[in-house]
Amino acid sequence: GQNIDQPTEMTATEGAIVQINCTYQTSGFNGLFWYQQHAGEAPTFLSYNVLDGLEEKGRFSSFLSRSKGYSYLLLKELQMKDSASYLCAVSNTGKLIFGQGTTLQVKP
Amino acid sequence: ETGVTQTPRHLVMGMTNKKSLKCEQHLGHNAMYWYKQSAKKPLELMFVYSLEERVENNSVPSRFSPECPNSSHLFLHLHTLQPEDSALYLCASSQVTGAYEQYFGPGTRLTVT
Repeated sequence: GQNIDQPTEMTATEGAIVQINCTYQTSGFNGLFWYQQHAGEAPTFLSYNVLDGLEEKGRFSSFLSRSKGYSYLLLKELQMKDSASYLCAVSNTGKLIFGQGTTLQVKP
Repeated sequence: ETGVTQTPRHLVMGMTNKKSLKCEQHLGHNAMYWYKQSAKKPLELMFVYSLEERVENNSVPSRFSPECPNSSHLFLHLHTLQPEDSALYLCASSQVTGAYEQYFGPGTRLTVT
């Protein structure tokens, strides 16, 4: 079967660093995506990993270990506007399989 | 208009009504998708279209009927829905199907009474 796990909720402080983990077990793998979704809005693309290692893009970084079926999204210098849901999705046979998302609340 | 647009943004319908959701993408993409997003559940893929041909029907009940008249437009026709069909319906597009970034529309919030 297909299974993608993320924590349901996380809380962090403005200016801090937070790591959101995602583990997956899927029948196939063509890459892993992270999306951000603010309440009432469309998901927007953050990052894509297909090879093992760390991809850095400004304050956001994403890591992938294919052998462990594991990824994380790292958010640095947290801002209040980073409060949102973060969706992990695995690409498999031309379609995306999403985890349930992690709701991050950033507090002052 | 830019990106992916969806209309209506909100829809309330009775179980015996027939309505349609519309999606339009202005990105020149060749693949379009319908997703269902329910509270506390992962995004569920419903349908995938590639170059106006349906390539995926993810075991969706027949009361949901998609239509893709061209690569820019996608419809979801609804009839005799159930209260459990109440959800946010998201449309997305990508350059082609596969491991490509998908661009999402704002969604239609559907309530079935």
